Amino acid sequence: ETGVTQSPTHLIKTRGQQVTLRCSSQSGHNTVSWYQQALGQGPQFIFQYYREEENGRGNFPPRFSGLQFPNYSSELNVNALELDDSALYLCASTLTGELFFGEGSRLTVL
Amino acid sequence: AQSVTQPDIHITVSEGASLELRCNYSYGATPYLFWYVQSPGQGLQLLLKYFSGDTLVQGIKGFEAEFKRSQSSFNLRKPSVHWSDAAEYFCAVAPNNNDMRFGAGTRLTVKP
Repeated sequence: ETGVTQSPTHLIKTRGQQVTLRCSSQSGHNTVSWYQQALGQGPQFIFQYYREEENGRGNFPPRFSGLQFPNYSSELNVNALELDDSALYLCASTLTGELFFGEGSRLTVL
Repeated sequence: AQSVTQPDIHITVSEGASLELRCNYSYGATPYLFWYVQSPGQGLQLLLKYFSGDTLVQGIKGFEAEFKRSQSSFNLRKPSVHWSDAAEYFCAVAPNNNDMRFGAGTRLTVKP
């Protein structure tokens, strides 16, 4: 148990739709990162939030956006879904450097 | 640019045999180095990490890894594999734990 929970665990969307994925971090963890893991690949860094501000971003387009809230929860929003967005989305929180991962939200785009 | 290479996509070992999973990285300075394990349908669990100091790092579940600067490698080892070790293993590098870059993973199968 990492203390990081994600919802929903699975969801199906169609191309062009929008999706919001949620993450509840460990209490006190002021940094949260989001990763995309396509089937058969390693996780790819999307972005990181520190104290509710974006603190780093990987090679993802602006239609991937996020929010972090004072209660240590966060959201990943993806607009205009594409087929290639089908993946496992992982949230990870940290306070002292070690990343604690949730079990992910598996998104299927049809 | 940072990159991580795990040359072996899939490895099969017999239960009780030793294991070594390879990881090579490309980075301008010595990065922070990590090994994670992922069981099917699960998130990632940290096995061990190297920040500095002793180049042989001990982790959980009997795993260890050795940092070799001259070879830009951080290979994961276990003396005796258990059936429960079957999973996907990821090597990762990061500066200060930000923008962590993962390898493509090595899938471990354990034969009885």
